[in-house]
Amino acid sequence: AQSVTQPDIHITVSEGASLELRCNYSYGATPYLFWYVQSPGQGLQLLLKYFSGDTLVQGIKGFEAEFKRSQSSFNLRKPSVHWSDAAEYFCAVGITGGGNKLTFGTGTQLKVEL
Amino acid sequence: EAGVAQSPRYKIIEKRQSVAFWCNPISGHATLYWYQQILGQGPKLLIQFQNNGVVDDSQLPKDRFSAERLKGVDSTLKIQPAKLEDSAVYLCASSFRAGGPTDTQYFGPGTRLTVL
Repeated sequence: AQSVTQPDIHITVSEGASLELRCNYSYGATPYLFWYVQSPGQGLQLLLKYFSGDTLVQGIKGFEAEFKRSQSSFNLRKPSVHWSDAAEYFCAVGITGGGNKLTFGTGTQLKVEL
Repeated sequence: EAGVAQSPRYKIIEKRQSVAFWCNPISGHATLYWYQQILGQGPKLLIQFQNNGVVDDSQLPKDRFSAERLKGVDSTLKIQPAKLEDSAVYLCASSFRAGGPTDTQYFGPGTRLTVL
């Protein structure tokens, strides 16, 4: 079965600093990979997704992520963090033949210091 | 375009009571999902509907949880009787098609359930 690991439960960065959130997946074939963001009291919003092709994908709000098959990783990055980016970030994996079922990681809580 | 609507936003009940959550998906979306998000964990799919048929309910605790999607639009999720471990945020999501993971899921704000 597929699984997702987000090794960092909490991350704190200063506003304006760069950000990298880690995500590792386990799946035997090429996965479909997603990053979602959840602000307090809000539902999940899709930031970006990877299905195939270019391994560097661009998303909304200035985020990008890179798929590295050799490392089974799909890390999320942002060059300069804004205070409004403080939220919880979830990595998720979908699989071929699995309908549209997503398996989520446990999330990384991002705090931004002003 | 209106997003996924859920109600109530918060609910507090005693254990062994029953509770129901309502979801209205984005207009025209064929597929509807219910997720359970326990504090400190990622969302876990409980049930997936395609129109008004069930696609996947393998992780739904059927002894106490039930869900229906009449007429292929709105959906209700019910818990009867509730247990302490059911305390969680219940998220509803919808997607346009009933296809695979390329079909983006759009999430509602969730219902936070506290069982005392």
